[in-house]
Amino acid sequence: DAGITQSPRHKVTETGTPVTLRCHQTENHRYMYWYRQDPGHGLRLIHYSYGVKDTDKGEVSDGYSVSRSKTEDFLLTLESATSSQTSVYFCAISDLKTNEKLFFGSGTQLSVL
Amino acid sequence: KQEVTQIPAALSVPEGENLVLNCSFTDSAIYNLQWFRQDPGKGLTSLLLIQSSQREQTSGRLNASLDKSSGRSTLYIAASQPGDSATYLCAVDPSSSNTGKLIFGQGTTLQVKP
Repeated sequence: DAGITQSPRHKVTETGTPVTLRCHQTENHRYMYWYRQDPGHGLRLIHYSYGVKDTDKGEVSDGYSVSRSKTEDFLLTLESATSSQTSVYFCAISDLKTNEKLFFGSGTQLSVL
Repeated sequence: KQEVTQIPAALSVPEGENLVLNCSFTDSAIYNLQWFRQDPGKGLTSLLLIQSSQREQTSGRLNASLDKSSGRSTLYIAASQPGDSATYLCAVDPSSSNTGKLIFGQGTTLQVKP
């Protein structure tokens, strides 16, 4: 998976609890993304980062925050998880210059009960 | 708002058949279009990327075409094999420059029967 590790791979949590998902890359790519995948909606962009401490919102950012303190790590936080945030979360990376393709991690299956 | 549609949602073919997967998008102002493959429980693997100025890209048995003016792309798979069974997604970068902020279709799930 192009040097991308997502953790945890599976998580079950309760409504109202905070949850943090981690994406770690070893490719030194500048750009990192968080997408969620849901039946009937496909993949949708939550947040993205174009460098350390530089992040911006995507299409479905409500209820999520992100942080990027190092090039290799991009964290996605659900401040107070809701059942509508049950989904599969994918991290992706790219350098957008030498290779414009996006490379995806294996995903985190999150269930909010 | 850019929307990406893939039809059909599912397709089953016998091994050896040539097949075409379709992708359409509502706004022709795209930077590029990518085709991805997703196996069950796995992440996405980029197969082909077509720049907005290009008409097609080829990789092995795969050929992707792009008709930006009509908002359509096709992925042609030659001599299909059971190992090609997966979900295929297309995605466009709707920006004026390369951002990686992709808009995805919902995918076509392909089953190739031995």
